[in-house]
Amino acid sequence: NAGVMQNPRHLVRRRGQEARLRCSPMKGHSHVYWYRQLPEEGLKFMVYLQKENIIDESGMPKERFSAEFPKEGPSILRIQQVVRGDSAAYFCASFRDANEKLFFGSGTQLSVL
Amino acid sequence: DQQVKQNSPSLSVQEGRISILNCDYTNSMFDYFLWYKKYPAEGPTFLISISSIKDKNEDGRFTVFLNKSAKHLSLHIVPSQPGDSAVYFCAARNSGAGSYQLTFGKGTKLSVIP
Repeated sequence: NAGVMQNPRHLVRRRGQEARLRCSPMKGHSHVYWYRQLPEEGLKFMVYLQKENIIDESGMPKERFSAEFPKEGPSILRIQQVVRGDSAAYFCASFRDANEKLFFGSGTQLSVL
Repeated sequence: DQQVKQNSPSLSVQEGRISILNCDYTNSMFDYFLWYKKYPAEGPTFLISISSIKDKNEDGRFTVFLNKSAKHLSLHIVPSQPGDSAVYFCAARNSGAGSYQLTFGKGTKLSVIP
């Protein structure tokens, strides 16, 4: 049973470009979280999605960031017009239902030059 | 506003001794607490959890203690092993909030010295 798969592992973008981060949850999991970890910081909640629905996006920056979890395919975290401050590790986590623990992917390290 | 605090950024312990990692929280609505372990370049992995209706949960070498009145929890690892060297994150959840999101502390880097 494959775990949570994130790709790419490393992503380098220049300022102003777009970044797309992908997350495939564990088999049977329909709930996905995205978290961001800045250097020397803990993991910060960004968004919670179920299939085709955004449940809680209270942690998402108001501009440039968007997330989706379509009926088919992986969840996508999209960052438009990236800036240096977007450089961070982005982790996806999935779970099956509310009483279960989160399973995390290995993360995508985004570096903005 | 940091709702989950891990005030020790790092901790060094001799192999075989006990490691105690501490965590404080401010939100009295948190009712479920977890510890995650993270190696470099990997995602966090679940270690142990505790519900607010309990004050202790044990799993092998790992024990989590919860003191609700003090809003404090701790993770005990005994005996500590070199493979335990990692960053440990404390996390908390308000199950009544609906989104089940976890609020994480900044982590404590544990180094177990052989």
